[in-house]
Amino acid sequence: GEDVEQSLFLSVREGDSSVINCTYTDSSSTYLYWYKQEPGAGLQLLTYIFSNMDMKQDQRLTVLLNKKDKHLSLRIADTQTGDSAIYFCAEKGSARQLTFGSGTQLTVLP
Amino acid sequence: DVKVTQSSRYLVKRTGEKVFLECVQDMDHENMFWYRQDPGLGLRLIYFSYDVKMKEKGDIPEGYSVSREKKERFSLILESASTNQTSMYLCASSFGQGQNTGELFFGEGSRLTVL
Repeated sequence: GEDVEQSLFLSVREGDSSVINCTYTDSSSTYLYWYKQEPGAGLQLLTYIFSNMDMKQDQRLTVLLNKKDKHLSLRIADTQTGDSAIYFCAEKGSARQLTFGSGTQLTVLP
Repeated sequence: DVKVTQSSRYLVKRTGEKVFLECVQDMDHENMFWYRQDPGLGLRLIYFSYDVKMKEKGDIPEGYSVSREKKERFSLILESASTNQTSMYLCASSFGQGQNTGELFFGEGSRLTVL
C-alpha cells in the first residue's frame, strides 16, 4: 500500500521557525494535508494543498510541495508554546480514505 | 461546524469482553472511518463505510467489525477484546467522492484500555 513518512520528534525555541517534513509514495496523490493533534484531542485540519500547487501560505503557515520528489513540508513562523502538538501529514489519492504518517511531536522550548 | 461525536472518551474493559464504540456525525457525510492511533505508528485504518450498510476493510481489520445502519452513525465492535487492542480509537467522516477536498473531520477519540 501507499506510505507516508515523517520524523517522530522536533524541538524548537519559542520565536524560531519550525519546519516539519514529510515524504509520500503515492504518484496519484490529489490532495495533501497537515493535521494538528493537541493532547487528549482528535485531529484538526491545519491546511491542505492541491497536488498541482507548489506552495500555499496561510498566516504563519507555509506549505511547500515538491511533487517530483514527493516531499511535503510545513513551516510555522514565529513558533509559540501553543504550537506544541503532534503534526500529521496525510495524502489522498484516488481512494476515499487518507493515508497518514506517524506524526511529528513538536516541542516548543521557552 | 461539522461535529463528529464519539460516545465514550475513556473505557476500561476486561479481556474477552465485547466492546462497542459509537460515532455520530451531523453533516450528512457519506463516508465514515475508524482509525486506531498508537505511538510511533500514526493512524491506521481499521474499517470505513461509504454508504449505509456498506463497509470496506482497511489496513488492520482483524479482531474488529463495524455496523452502519444509519447514515449518521458508524459503530466499531470488538467481539472479544484483547490486550493488544488497547489504543486510542478515532472516528472520522467526509463528503462523498468528487465532493470537496476529501478532508476528514475527526471526533475527540476514545481511549480504550483492555486489562
